[in-house]
Amino acid sequence: NAGVTQTPKFQVLKTGQSMTLQCAQDMNHNSMYWYRQDPGMGLRLIYYSASEGTTDKGEVPNGYNVSRLNKREFSLRLESAAPSQTSVYFCASSLPAGGYSSEAFFGQGTRLTVV
Amino acid sequence: GENVEQHPSTLSVQEGDSAVIKCTYSDSASNYFPWYKQELGKRPQLIIDIRSNVGEKKDQRIAVTLNKTAKHFSLHITETQPEDSAVYFCAATYSGGGADGLTFGKGTHLIIQP
Repeated sequence: NAGVTQTPKFQVLKTGQSMTLQCAQDMNHNSMYWYRQDPGMGLRLIYYSASEGTTDKGEVPNGYNVSRLNKREFSLRLESAAPSQTSVYFCASSLPAGGYSSEAFFGQGTRLTVV
Repeated sequence: GENVEQHPSTLSVQEGDSAVIKCTYSDSASNYFPWYKQELGKRPQLIIDIRSNVGEKKDQRIAVTLNKTAKHFSLHITETQPEDSAVYFCAATYSGGGADGLTFGKGTHLIIQP
């Protein structure tokens, strides 16, 4: 049981390049999330998905797009990377039970540097 | 949207003493308040959570209290140990059905002095 798996773990991009961060969970969770973590800023929600086929913006969605490919997979795409997107990105999943929030399980993170 | 303030940003305590971290939230509709621990270079992991219909919850050396009227909640760690050294994040969300992302505080770096 791997939990939440993200790829890649590390990435360096040049300004203007594009890339997709992959996330997959094997816990049969309904909900999936993408957060970014910057020093002194905590974790900030980029996008989330309540179920397959649905996505919603979080606190900091600008410059990103997402795809909920199926129940297991939720990808994050940077179309034209900017230095301000240098961060650690975490994918997470949870299974709201009875309409209430529950524990979010995080992936191991992707450290992205945009130069 | 929700806003979560967390204090202090750094907390240094002697091993064996207690540590208290405090958070306030802005949205009175929020009803789920988890606490996460993140060790250096690792992913955040849930240590305890509380829902708005409960005022206090304990799990061994860790406890969380919630004051809905004042819109604040706190993490209490007793008999601190070296392995408690980490960054702790509080979070809040309203769950009305379906997914709802967490709003996190900015974190508290807890240092346990030997």
